[in-house]
Amino acid sequence: QVQLQESGPGLMKPSGTLSLTCAVSGESISIPNLWGWVRQSPGKGLEWIGEIYHSGYSTYNPSLKSRVTILVDKAKNQFSLKLISVTAADTAVYYCVSRQSGYWNYWGQGILVTVSS
Amino acid sequence: ENVLTQSPGTLSLSPGERVTLSCRTSQRVSNYLAWYQQKPGQAPRLLIYGASSRATGIPDRFGGSGSGTDFTLTISRLEPEDFAVYYCQQYGTSPYTFGQGTKLEIK
Repeated sequence: QVQLQESGPGLMKPSGTLSLTCAVSGESISIPNLWGWVRQSPGKGLEWIGEIYHSGYSTYNPSLKSRVTILVDKAKNQFSLKLISVTAADTAVYYCVSRQSGYWNYWGQGILVTVSS
Repeated sequence: ENVLTQSPGTLSLSPGERVTLSCRTSQRVSNYLAWYQQKPGQAPRLLIYGASSRATGIPDRFGGSGSGTDFTLTISRLEPEDFAVYYCQQYGTSPYTFGQGTKLEIK
């Protein structure tokens, strides 16, 4: 049973870089799952950010692609999200998620990130 | 981008009632549609995948149907713990998108 736990700063300033980590437990990150991020804000609802295979192949939402990087760290059994040039519009609860096929059956508890000066 | 429209936005119902929620996609998704339940302060929980298959541990009072562009989630008899927000999500084509949600509230 895959378990996911997000970590990272809860508050950051505009123009900074958001960095979050998702620790995977219960399974190796090298299993053939996709590991990704979804965020939820009052203004935009639930939004898929992107995902990565254990091999390192990644795909991103075109709306965020120019600012997002998702990486896997096999040694630490975790994956990460980096979002550059953040603004108040990036304020949201960020969830790490995992799927074997099309739907996400594993979700972290979520972490609130607030972008404010 | 495939836009998902859920209706209604809010429903006020009583325990024991039957409810049907609607999700319409702007592009066909075959049966690549999932439903999630979200309670305050919690992550979404997978209920239905493949438009009609219940996820592990989901009670059989939850049922999904539809294909193409029109989908429904039916709860045959509302229990107190079912009052929450429900989202549909398509995973047929990237970017994967969600509906805006339907809130079930106690009447």
